[in-house]
Amino acid sequence: QVQLQESGPGLVKASETLSLICTVSGAFRSKDYWSWIRLSPGKAPEWIGYVYNSGTTTYNPSLKSRVSISLDTSKNQISLEVKSVTAADTAVYYCARNLGVWGQGTLVTVSS
Amino acid sequence: EIVLTQTPLSLSVTPGQPAFIPCKSSQSLLRTSDGKTYLYWYLQKPGQSPQLLMYEVSNRFDGVPDRFSGSGTGTEFTLNISRVEAEDVGVYYCMQSLQLPYTFGQGTKLEIK
Repeated sequence: QVQLQESGPGLVKASETLSLICTVSGAFRSKDYWSWIRLSPGKAPEWIGYVYNSGTTTYNPSLKSRVSISLDTSKNQISLEVKSVTAADTAVYYCARNLGVWGQGTLVTVSS
Repeated sequence: EIVLTQTPLSLSVTPGQPAFIPCKSSQSLLRTSDGKTYLYWYLQKPGQSPQLLMYEVSNRFDGVPDRFSGSGTGTEFTLNISRVEAEDVGVYYCMQSLQLPYTFGQGTKLEIK
């Protein structure tokens, strides 16, 4: 059974870059894709983007200019970067395999 | 982008009774090229991450009890729980993956009476 675990700093200063890692226990299958999704209180979950095992990425247009997702298959890790963060980026961030299996999530708070 | 609307925002159900959780889409979620409808259902239990219940409207994900079922076509969908149990409390989200960006509904919170 694949398991995903998100990690990264819980507090990021406004205007700086948020960097998270998702570590996967289990094999990467050729057709897998890896998504990042965030949940903020009182708001609908927001899909951030995904990366295929080939390295191809697709991002939510609302975040595209600030977001980067990458894959390191040698480390079984998926990375997320969000640049120039504001309070609106405060959320619990989740990674997911094929939208089916999600990690436990990690809370990121943006401070002023 | 496709907008998913979930009303009511909360629902209170007596254990053993059925529950019906609606989700309405701003456009059809049917992909005519493959005949599939790209509507998912998730449950976020208190203190947990969202878990996939149903994919492509009516297919139960691994390990999901058969008291859960999904129905609907086009733009209107329903997650059905035949007999609600205490462990079913949480927020139910619908999500579409027909068109980018993938979008979610606001969620319906299920409480037990």
